[in-house]
Amino acid sequence: EAEVAQSPRYKITEKSQAVAFWCDPISGHATLYWYRQILGQGPELLVQFQDESVVDDSQLPKDRFSAERLKGVDSTLKIQPAELGDSAMYLCASSSPSGGNEQYFGPGTRLTVT
Amino acid sequence: QQQVKQSPQSLIVQKGGISIINCAYENTAFDYFPWYQQFPGKGPALLIAIRPDVSEKKEGRFTISFNKSAKQFSLHIMDSQPGDSATYFCAASRRSSYKLIFGSGTRLLVRP
Repeated sequence: EAEVAQSPRYKITEKSQAVAFWCDPISGHATLYWYRQILGQGPELLVQFQDESVVDDSQLPKDRFSAERLKGVDSTLKIQPAELGDSAMYLCASSSPSGGNEQYFGPGTRLTVT
Repeated sequence: QQQVKQSPQSLIVQKGGISIINCAYENTAFDYFPWYQQFPGKGPALLIAIRPDVSEKKEGRFTISFNKSAKQFSLHIMDSQPGDSATYFCAASRRSSYKLIFGSGTRLLVRP
């Protein structure tokens, strides 16, 4: 069964350091999403890609966060510099119009900023 | 502004019982309502979803009931099992954007 892949699964970093997360969506899924989930809350969308183009980054803190999907396949989310409040689970999801745009999530990257 | 309100925050049910989780939404432009199940340390997994042209959808032990006029929808888990113990999230989106707006989650515990 096809799955969304994410790495690393866990990341501990110090405040003010840079950190990057990687996501490989389900093959053929043109739409890719990055969500942030704070412990005890529901996921919140950070950025949405359609192929290589950003279609929604209204909730992305652009002073420190960046995201790219250069070839329209895998994607990288970067934080620089990391702050204590960035500690959360970062989830990647993907969807396809042929699948009714149902979003399938990866296992997530648990980030702890110390 | 919380666009999707979910209740209860936590729920304890005996094995074999019915678990019911409720959600209410504000934006009448929403036209897709999925439910996700999440185990600790894992990503959310899509359970079942409904569109507003039907009032109920059933898949195995899971049923979504949808009330368009009240802007409410609920998840019913029949014959609840200890393995169903997890956090459940409702969500909503518009066909034009596909951006999911999640509820705050319900932590379900099914006692043996």
